Amino acid sequence: DAGVIQSPRHEVTEMGQEVTLRCKPISGHNSLFWYRQTMMRGLELLIYFNNNVPIDDSGMPEDRFSAKMPNASFSTLKIQPSEPRDSAVYFCASNNRAGGLYEQYFGPGTRLTVT
Amino acid sequence: AQSVTQPDIHITVSEGASLELRCNYSYGATPYLFWYVQSPGQGLQLLLKYFSGDTLVQGIKGFEAEFKRSQSSFNLRKPSVHWSDAAEYFCAVGAGAAGNKLTFGGGTRVLVKP
Repeated sequence: DAGVIQSPRHEVTEMGQEVTLRCKPISGHNSLFWYRQTMMRGLELLIYFNNNVPIDDSGMPEDRFSAKMPNASFSTLKIQPSEPRDSAVYFCASNNRAGGLYEQYFGPGTRLTVT
Repeated sequence: AQSVTQPDIHITVSEGASLELRCNYSYGATPYLFWYVQSPGQGLQLLLKYFSGDTLVQGIKGFEAEFKRSQSSFNLRKPSVHWSDAAEYFCAVGAGAAGNKLTFGGGTRVLVKP
């Protein structure tokens, strides 16, 4: 399997611009997770989906952030408008609880820089 | 709410020496516990996990961890460190359905001296 795929790997944008991060989970996995990693706050769970339905979005920092999962093989995390404090590495992960795969498989991350 | 503490931010160890990384968690129920490793510029890779059963868990790359309920700890060990073990290590506790909602510790960065 190709693993979790994230794009782009690096994104540099100016404050106020819209940013869209993309994730393709491992085929057959039914849960998808978005994390953010910063020096100050470490690794934080932003939102997770089960069977394409958002289950817990309590980690989403504010209304500027939104996430969607239109089908089992694709998810987006959008920031609009972006701010410098959104600069971080964003990870996507997936697993299949129904299949007994409780551990999450992480993608390589997207490094976002907002100037 | 659950929480994870990794008391050591940095650890330096000589190649061939043993390594122990500490992890303490706070969670009201039986925890799902994980150790992940992150190499520079990479995503996280699972080293091992504990859900139930034998409290000594074996993982990949020669790592093991011991769950101690009385101490709320899940420390990671390796008997002999290799230079390739230099990385950042994260302990995590999973809550919710099947432990899906992960809370990570702050991480411990391991440096390996030749």
